[in-house]
Amino acid sequence: NAGVTQTPKFQVLKTGQSMTLQCAQDMNHNSMYWYRQDPGMGLRLIYYSASEGTTDKGEVPNGYNVSRLNKREFSLRLESAAPSQTSVYFCASNFDPEGKRQNTGELFFGEGSRLTVL
Amino acid sequence: AQSVTQLGSHVSVSEGALVLLRCNYSSSVPPYLFWYVQYPNQGLQLLLKYTTGATLVKGINGFEAEFKKSETSFHLTKPSAHMSDAAEYFCAVIPYSGGGADGLTFGKGTHLIIQP
Repeated sequence: NAGVTQTPKFQVLKTGQSMTLQCAQDMNHNSMYWYRQDPGMGLRLIYYSASEGTTDKGEVPNGYNVSRLNKREFSLRLESAAPSQTSVYFCASNFDPEGKRQNTGELFFGEGSRLTVL
Repeated sequence: AQSVTQLGSHVSVSEGALVLLRCNYSSSVPPYLFWYVQYPNQGLQLLLKYTTGATLVKGINGFEAEFKKSETSFHLTKPSAHMSDAAEYFCAVIPYSGGGADGLTFGKGTHLIIQP
């Protein structure tokens, strides 16, 4: 019973390098999300995908791109990493049949990806 | 737009004592309210939620919360703290009609410390 799986769990990058964070869920959820968590800031939504082929910007999308590859997978790409992107990144999913962004309540989270940009 | 304020970034209680974590929200329409818990090096998991109906909701691990519309609050309580309750707790809100551009809004979190 895997739930939401994120890879990698840890990554260190140099400024300007690129990388992709992978996320997959096996719960047949239609909606998927990427958040970043910073001390004292709580969780902030980066991007959201209501279904395969659709993505929307969240609160802090600058410097990121996403791809909803299929129903299961939602990746987050940093094209040119900056120290300000040092954070813990969480992928989440839920069943949101009306595409109203989480009003059904429970989000299921992965264990996080800890990224450090030097 | 909605917002969430959690009073106290750190709360320390003794084992066996009452746990009270405070959450106040603002929302222009009736909200759905949630508490999530994050144990060290893990993702968040849902503790409890209020959607409609009974304003006192019970969650996992003996926690409960009461929706008080007049006070715009959704405080989390547990009668007797256990060492295993040490974690980060997040309050979250979303308008019942849908999140729109803002989606689910999280508070900044409260770190609960349990003293032996």
